[in-house]
Amino acid sequence: QLQLQESGSGLVKPSQTLSLTCAVSGGSISSGGYSWSWIRQPPGKGLEWIGYIYHSGSTYYNPSLKSRVTISVDRSKNQFSLKLSSVTAADTAVYYCARRRITGTTNWFDPWGQGTLVTVSS
Amino acid sequence: SSELTQDPAVSVALGQTVRITCQGDSLRSYYASWYQQKPGQAPVLVIYGKNNRPSGIPDRFSGSSSGNTASLTITGAQAEDEADYYCNSRDSSGNHLDRFGGGTKLTVL
Repeated sequence: QLQLQESGSGLVKPSQTLSLTCAVSGGSISSGGYSWSWIRQPPGKGLEWIGYIYHSGSTYYNPSLKSRVTISVDRSKNQFSLKLSSVTAADTAVYYCARRRITGTTNWFDPWGQGTLVTVSS
Repeated sequence: SSELTQDPAVSVALGQTVRITCQGDSLRSYYASWYQQKPGQAPVLVIYGKNNRPSGIPDRFSGSSSGNTASLTITGAQAEDEADYYCNSRDSSGNHLDRFGGGTKLTVL
């Protein structure tokens, strides 16, 4: 059974870079047909898609975050990572990693990690 | 518009049927997927594609789509179905982008 687990700093100062890692267990991150995603949820608000990376390394980002986001994959460690630069209080959120699958006209996220709260504060 | 619009809140009497909707131009081209989120927990996939349920999701959950509207129907709502529900779809721009609806808070009375 595939499991994802986020880790990283829970407190980041304004203007600095947020860094998170998602460890994948129970399956290979190099499996074809999947991409690996980051999604966030500010306290009390809805879900916001951040971006995803294919095992090939191709990346796609939310246009509203694109200038600050980098998603990368480390196949040797079976994990992928998120970096978000120049953070502000508006980036305070629970950050989730998830596996994304796409077939034809359908895509879905499953499973999800448990999420990790990142607070931006001095 | 590339947005996905959901009603902020819906209520249903215990044991009755409720439909949660998601509207957006992208739904004319792509199916929605639906996620259930309970307080303090990660979202869980409940419906994807035309009407597919992952293993472990009760068959009282079903999905449908017509025009620019996708629907999640719960037939015989249970107390444990009280949660936030989010729809998701690819963006219709063809740029490999994803989008979530704003979410619907379901209250089971």
